[in-house]
Amino acid sequence: NAGVTQTPKFQVLKTGQSMTLQCAQDMNHEYMSWYRQDPGMGLRLIHYSVGAGITDQGEVPNGYNVSRSTTEDFPLRLLSAAPSQTSVYFCASRLGGHRTGELFFGEGSRLTVL
Amino acid sequence: QQQVKQSPQSLIVQKGGISIINCAYENTAFDYFPWYQQFPGKGPALLIAIRPDVSEKKEGRFTISFNKSAKQFSLHIMDSQPGDSATYFCAARWGGTSYGKLTFGQGTILTVHP
Repeated sequence: NAGVTQTPKFQVLKTGQSMTLQCAQDMNHEYMSWYRQDPGMGLRLIHYSVGAGITDQGEVPNGYNVSRSTTEDFPLRLLSAAPSQTSVYFCASRLGGHRTGELFFGEGSRLTVL
Repeated sequence: QQQVKQSPQSLIVQKGGISIINCAYENTAFDYFPWYQQFPGKGPALLIAIRPDVSEKKEGRFTISFNKSAKQFSLHIMDSQPGDSATYFCAARWGGTSYGKLTFGQGTILTVHP
């Protein structure tokens, strides 16, 4: 019973490099999302998806791309990393619709951009 | 612009004491108010939640008090234990056609001394 799995757990990048944070869930959840966590800022929504092929922007989408080709996977891409993107990233998923607000979170990916 | 404002940023309580964390919001479009608990190195997990038509909800030592007219809600942890030491986030869910996105407060780091 894996839940939400994120890889990698840690990553160091140089400014301008690109990378993809992977997120997979095995709960058949329609809704998936990416948050970043920064001290004093809480959790801020980057992008979210309500189903395969459907994505939308959250509060802080600039510098990030997403796609959703399957129900299970929701990767987050940084095309040209900047030091301001140093953060802890969390993927979260839940059932679709408004039946529940409970998000299930992964354990996070800590990214440092030098 | 922080849609949900949380205070205090950090809180130190003695074992057996009461921990109180407060949140305030402005947008009346929110329709569900959960609290999440996060231990170091882990993702947040749902602790307790309330709907705006209820003024109080209690689960064990954890109670949410909700004041709809003041647009405020708070988490009370009775008989606080060292195992409660964690970061706590309040959140609010967007209602209507917003796919139930959650917006989070800034977080409170709770330390319970033995």
